[in-house]
Amino acid sequence: DQQVKQNSPSLSVQEGRISILNCDYTNSMFDYFLWYKKYPAEGPTFLISISSIKDKNEDGRFTVFLNKSAKHLSLHIVPSQPGDSAVYFCAAVLMEYGNKLVFGAGTILRVKS
Amino acid sequence: EAGVTQFPSHSVIEKGQTVTLRCDPISGHDNLYWYRRVMGKEIKFLLHFVKESKQDESGMPNNRFLAERTGGTYSTLKVQPAELEDSGVYFCASSLMVRAGGQFFGPGTRLTVL
Repeated sequence: DQQVKQNSPSLSVQEGRISILNCDYTNSMFDYFLWYKKYPAEGPTFLISISSIKDKNEDGRFTVFLNKSAKHLSLHIVPSQPGDSAVYFCAAVLMEYGNKLVFGAGTILRVKS
Repeated sequence: EAGVTQFPSHSVIEKGQTVTLRCDPISGHDNLYWYRRVMGKEIKFLLHFVKESKQDESGMPNNRFLAERTGGTYSTLKVQPAELEDSGVYFCASSLMVRAGGQFFGPGTRLTVL
């Protein structure tokens, strides 16, 4: 039973435009949601997170939006740069369960120059 | 500061053989996690150590997998005997505290079972 889903396996965006990556979840008890970025042959790197009590968190070019009623979150990257090309994983965590991350399957983002 | 390191980076073994993966966490990080990604799917949690104790091993697939963290430093994950479905990338992560976003991942070990 997959609790975190990323339904788009890949996304292609032109440099300078906005990239929007989506994620859906089923467990309304998750405390935090996170986005990780992964380059080939490297481990995932933490990008940005949002608490379940917030609806938006921004860090530079990256903004995460949370819609709890829809059990949906999204990551916006503006403007997109070629170096943003990577696999992006959405993850969720229940802090009372020791911070183990529940990941989606990832979305491959390709930013074309 | 050195990051999380994993050894080997790749391992190719035959079904029925034994493989041991090693993870060296960031120095001072009491929390150590193992995850696995199979065939481009989601990254799945395997287990969580706090120092040398297993805090949560709910994600371990079966008793062919044995994880240890003697002395609370590096950790090993042994698969014995390996099966075809064990192929995937095994990631280790460590964190100083239990908090969202606090896990630092290693580069992973790609295991191929033939």
